[in-house]
Amino acid sequence: QKEVEQNSGPLSVPEGAIASLNCTYSDRGSQSFFWYRQYSGKSPELIMSIYSNGDKEDGRFTAQLNKASQYVSLLIRDSQPSDSATYLCAVKGGNNRLAFGKGNQVVVIP
Amino acid sequence: GAGVSQSPSNKVTEKGKDVELRCDPISGHTALYWYRQSLGQGLEFLIYFQGNSAPDKSGLPSDRFSAERTGGSVSTLTIQRTQQEDSAVYLCASSSAGTRSNEQFFGPGTRLTVL
Repeated sequence: QKEVEQNSGPLSVPEGAIASLNCTYSDRGSQSFFWYRQYSGKSPELIMSIYSNGDKEDGRFTAQLNKASQYVSLLIRDSQPSDSATYLCAVKGGNNRLAFGKGNQVVVIP
Repeated sequence: GAGVSQSPSNKVTEKGKDVELRCDPISGHTALYWYRQSLGQGLEFLIYFQGNSAPDKSGLPSDRFSAERTGGSVSTLTIQRTQQEDSAVYLCASSSAGTRSNEQFFGPGTRLTVL
């Protein structure tokens, strides 16, 4: 089993809709979880970090963490064309390195 | 303040040549990481420096890869006798000590092409 899995294919959402991204991880001892946004040809940009079970909101982004089920999700409300990017889920292990999922491409259709 | 900087932004080299990639972390950040991202692949951890501690080299794919960090700041990743499979974007990230020490911030990357 891969450390961090993002299984969904490209996600197309209409402008103004909610985009929902999911990620599962294998290391039950993981404590820190992150979402990065990566535009084509650019490096990853940290957009959310979450450490406790529940929801964390920052502007139009909401991260949700459920450690018992070992999943973390990202909701993007009122999606804008500028949200079109690849979203990477990352989980920090005990060795301080980040394990990344392969990412989910989001396309917001005007 | 200034973010993580990397140089060069692009590097084209011939198979068998050595290359050096440079990373300048955010000022005050004690931890520095190297990752690489190949086309269609996820980010792969390479090496991690924390302060004056011995680096975690467990992600380096072969002994052709090495890295050093001088004075606890700038780091250089060296790839000897480059191979075509080394072609990738090499990303450097840094993080600070303290409550936000988990958050890693990436530089713009160096795109390496081995012909």
